[in-house]
Amino acid sequence: QQQVKQSPQSLIVQKGGISIINCAYENTAFDYFPWYQQFPGKGPALLIAIRPDVSEKKEGRFTISFNKSAKQFSLHIMDSQPGDSATYFCAANTGYSSASKIIFGSGTRLSIRP
Amino acid sequence: DGGITQSPKYLFRKEGQNVTLSCEQNLNHDAMYWYRQDPGQGLRLIYYSQIVNDFQKGDIAEGYSVSREKKESFPLTVTSAQKNPTAFYLCASSMMGNQPQHFGDGTRLSIL
Repeated sequence: QQQVKQSPQSLIVQKGGISIINCAYENTAFDYFPWYQQFPGKGPALLIAIRPDVSEKKEGRFTISFNKSAKQFSLHIMDSQPGDSATYFCAANTGYSSASKIIFGSGTRLSIRP
Repeated sequence: DGGITQSPKYLFRKEGQNVTLSCEQNLNHDAMYWYRQDPGQGLRLIYYSQIVNDFQKGDIAEGYSVSREKKESFPLTVTSAQKNPTAFYLCASSMMGNQPQHFGDGTRLSIL
């Protein structure tokens, strides 16, 4: 119930294409869904996040789509660029007034071909 | 600049040796966390702390220990009881509640 399942494990997209990464969860108590981007040898960095009261959030070329009834959410990267090549983690948590305990997906290694 | 500093970047451990990984933050965050990342896998929570002098076990605490004597510092000790310590260790911090975590750039631990 605490898992966040992420797919695909790896993804290759042509430059200019759309990259799509999907995640699913079971715990309906989750109420914060961040996406992190990680480059080799670096720590993850927050990319974009959504709360379940909205179905979509867009920041530049990055969009999160959220389907509360299906308990699924996805990251879309429009006009994918070589600089987007990284590992992406979806995550979910419910911290309320306590520490923000995040459950991470297993990651998607994205490669953008020039 | 505010951020999280982890040191050293690379660390080598001999058999039977304890090693300590440093994590310092100047973001004035109350909560701090330690994660382990193995190749091709997600992040697994080792320990976390919400306030000074208090910390909680995460999902894989066996073979690890922590302390939180100062708000800014949350060192992790990998003890000799941890039989498979080779991994990338990440420290993070956050405000309390449903807030994003901010990560350091990690320490890569290897066995000699």
